[in-house]
Amino acid sequence: NAGVTQTPKFRILKIGQSMTLQCTQDMNHNYMYWYRQDPGMGLKLIYYSVGAGITDKGEVPNGYNVSRSTTEDFPLRLELAAPSQTSVYFCASSTDRVYGYTFGSGTRLTVV
Amino acid sequence: DQQVKQNSPSLSVQEGRISILNCDYTNSMFDYFLWYKKYPAEGPTFLISISSIKDKNEDGRFTVFLNKSAKHLSLHIVPSQPGDSAVYFCAASEGTSGSRLTFGEGTQLTVNP
Repeated sequence: NAGVTQTPKFRILKIGQSMTLQCTQDMNHNYMYWYRQDPGMGLKLIYYSVGAGITDKGEVPNGYNVSRSTTEDFPLRLELAAPSQTSVYFCASSTDRVYGYTFGSGTRLTVV
Repeated sequence: DQQVKQNSPSLSVQEGRISILNCDYTNSMFDYFLWYKKYPAEGPTFLISISSIKDKNEDGRFTVFLNKSAKHLSLHIVPSQPGDSAVYFCAASEGTSGSRLTFGEGTQLTVNP
């Protein structure tokens, strides 16, 4: 019962570098999400997907890209890392809103 | 524009007493509300939810109250236990947004033995 798996758990990037945060779920959930959590700011939605091949922007999409080629995977791409992207990133999945989300354990990213 | 606000960054209570965590919202279209609990270095976990057609929902030691006219909800934990020490997030969604959730800033609850 893996649930939602995020890799890596920690990463330090230099300004201008790129990376992909991986997210995989094994619950056959249609909905998947990427949130970032900044101190004292709660969780902000970056991108979400309602099914394979369908993605849409959330509240704070600038500087990020996503793809959803399979039901299981929802990677988040940072193309040109900036210090403002230093945050903890959470991936989540759900069947619908009634039953809430299942979150991954997070990726702590520092951009220096 | 913070549509879901948790005005208390922290709360400290004694073991066995009641913990009350508060949440206010501004979007009158929100019709479903949830509470999540988060331990350090882990992702948030779903705790309890309530639909706008109800004003109370209970699950064991946890009860959520919804006051739609005041746009306010609260989470009561009775009795509080040291293992309840965590950050609690309030979240809300509206029917038109599907399953997207808007989160509050979180409240750090500390239960002292």
